[in-house]
Amino acid sequence: AQRVTQPEKLLSVFKGAPVELKCNYSYSGSPELFWYVQYSRQRLQLLLRHISRESIKGFTADLNKGETSFHLKKPFAQEEDSAMYYCALVGYSGAGSYQLTFGKGTKLSVIP
Amino acid sequence: GAVVSQHPSWVICKSGTSVKIECRSLDFQATTMFWYRQFPKQSLMLMATSNEGSKATYEQGVEKDKFLINHASLTLSTLTVTSAHPEDSSFYICSAEGAPNSPLHFGNGTRLTVT
Repeated sequence: AQRVTQPEKLLSVFKGAPVELKCNYSYSGSPELFWYVQYSRQRLQLLLRHISRESIKGFTADLNKGETSFHLKKPFAQEEDSAMYYCALVGYSGAGSYQLTFGKGTKLSVIP
Repeated sequence: GAVVSQHPSWVICKSGTSVKIECRSLDFQATTMFWYRQFPKQSLMLMATSNEGSKATYEQGVEKDKFLINHASLTLSTLTVTSAHPEDSSFYICSAEGAPNSPLHFGNGTRLTVT
């Protein structure tokens, strides 16, 4: 079974401080990992995915297979980064089937 | 706490039949439920937003007559894929929100295969 763990329900940092939102996963194969974000009163939206290896809004995330982690990082937090962040994993099995699993989410609060 | 149960987890159906997927919040009342679809190698796509007692709000490009959503109670929303075709084969997942702006709780998803 696949599993996604976000150990922190709430993370508060000061503006300008570095941010790291933790995500650990459990999956036997090669997973595809995503970070989704939900800003206040807005819908869930994709922030980034590991296969694209891009930086969105200053956020990056590196897949560490040894530690089975996909932590989300940003060197300098901004107030507009305050939101709920969800880590998600897609696991592909045979015959083209796949399953998506979400973590419980971490609320990031950036203090001015 | 805050468990969302989605049923069934996997369904295989013949082309032309209809399939109903249930999303239940087990230990909280969900004022809003969301239905998503996941395509292979793509990100999640929001299909519709469902509020208890009112009609669902569908995203652009989603056929409301094909994907019927009913949110009859604060703990249950259903998605019915009518006259399913092979291109409807996908992974469908729901999420529930206990109160506006509260964390989303996701179901485990339903894998639909239409043959």
